[in-house]
Amino acid sequence: DTAVSQTPKYLVTQMGNDKSIKCEQNLGHDTMYWYKQDSKKFLKIMFSYNNKELIINETVPNRFSPKSPDKAHLNLHINSLELGDSAVYFCASSQVRGETQYFGPGTRLLVL
Amino acid sequence: SQQGEEDPQALSIQEGENATMNCSYKTSINNLQWYRQNSGRGLVHLILIRSNEREKHSGRLRVTLDTSKKSSSLLITASRAADTASYFCGHYGNNRLAFGKGNQVVVIP
Repeated sequence: DTAVSQTPKYLVTQMGNDKSIKCEQNLGHDTMYWYKQDSKKFLKIMFSYNNKELIINETVPNRFSPKSPDKAHLNLHINSLELGDSAVYFCASSQVRGETQYFGPGTRLLVL
Repeated sequence: SQQGEEDPQALSIQEGENATMNCSYKTSINNLQWYRQNSGRGLVHLILIRSNEREKHSGRLRVTLDTSKKSSSLLITASRAADTASYFCGHYGNNRLAFGKGNQVVVIP
């Protein structure tokens, strides 16, 4: 069974569109995260939720909106997609904040 | 070495050799974590070392932490072709895990 899963794995879309990426973890963890990895493999935290509550919101454009319907899910909605949003987006989870994180396989977003 | 603003480093070694990579950070930390990323995959956790620890081992992996120099190293002994991957250190402090840009390691069979 996949511990942290993301859908879709690939997402190709036009500039200006709105898209969502879904993440689910079956590890029973309290904390979930979204990261963005750019073409140089630099990995940057975007958001972190603990028990459905937002605890980290980095300097991310407000076109990005996370939603956590329950502890096991953290979705990412992106409005008005721009070329610079092209990247790989990773979801992760941890039992508690600051401890080992378990990453999903990533969603490769390409904005044309 | 990995820092917040440097380009990723690349290391090519022969199978059986040891691989050492370094990581530095600028803030105070609670712990430092090393991860491996195979091409096209998510990150996989390797070792977590706490700020009051100086060295930690896991199989063929050895991690050191020098909080006075704000640096850490990861040593992979007796490397294998399957160790080919990118290696990232993330330092945890201020409620977030901040990653460097990674070291690309290629182990030649």
